[in-house]
Amino acid sequence: DAGVIQSPRHEVTEMGQEVTLRCKPISGHDYLFWYRQTMMRGLELLIYFNNNVPIDDSGMPEDRFSAKMPNASFSTLKIQPSEPRDSAVYFCASSWTGNGGNTIYFGEGSWLTVV
Amino acid sequence: SQQGEEDPQALSIQEGENATMNCSYKTSINNLQWYRQNSGRGLVHLILIRSNEREKHSGRLRVTLDTSKKSSSLLITASRAADTASYFCATDSSPLANTGNQFYFGTGTSLTVIP
Repeated sequence: DAGVIQSPRHEVTEMGQEVTLRCKPISGHDYLFWYRQTMMRGLELLIYFNNNVPIDDSGMPEDRFSAKMPNASFSTLKIQPSEPRDSAVYFCASSWTGNGGNTIYFGEGSWLTVV
Repeated sequence: SQQGEEDPQALSIQEGENATMNCSYKTSINNLQWYRQNSGRGLVHLILIRSNEREKHSGRLRVTLDTSKKSSSLLITASRAADTASYFCATDSSPLANTGNQFYFGTGTSLTVIP
């Protein structure tokens, strides 16, 4: 398996622009997570899905952030409008309940810079 | 917050020495895991220890868990330059076992192994 695939790997955008991050989880995994990593706050869980249904979005910082999972093989995290404080690395990860759901597999991250 | 906290924040050792990192957490857990992150990459799962286990080994890794103190330690023996990375603990404190849901990560320990 190719692992969790994220795109883009790097994005630089201007403040106010819409940013869409994409994720393809590992085939067969039923949980999908979006994390944000910064030096100041470490790794924060933003939202997670189970079988394409959002379960907990309490980590989403504000209404400018939204996430969708239209099917088992694709998810997006959208920021609109973007702000400089959104600059961070955004990780998508997936896991499978069948093995106890205990191991999370991470993508390589999307490095976002908002100027 | 259920987030774990690693200690120390940074650790620098000579190749061949042992490296010990600690993790403290706040609530009862089902499992505790350790992950490794190389610079610019995603997190990779290293080892999982369940709440009813006290010690676990995997190659040069040794993990201990003390649920009474809400703490865990990761020992890397005979360190190598390639072990240079950040190490994170993650706790799963769901009241329902094997639901594979949200995991909370600590802030990480940055390990540098000097050749």
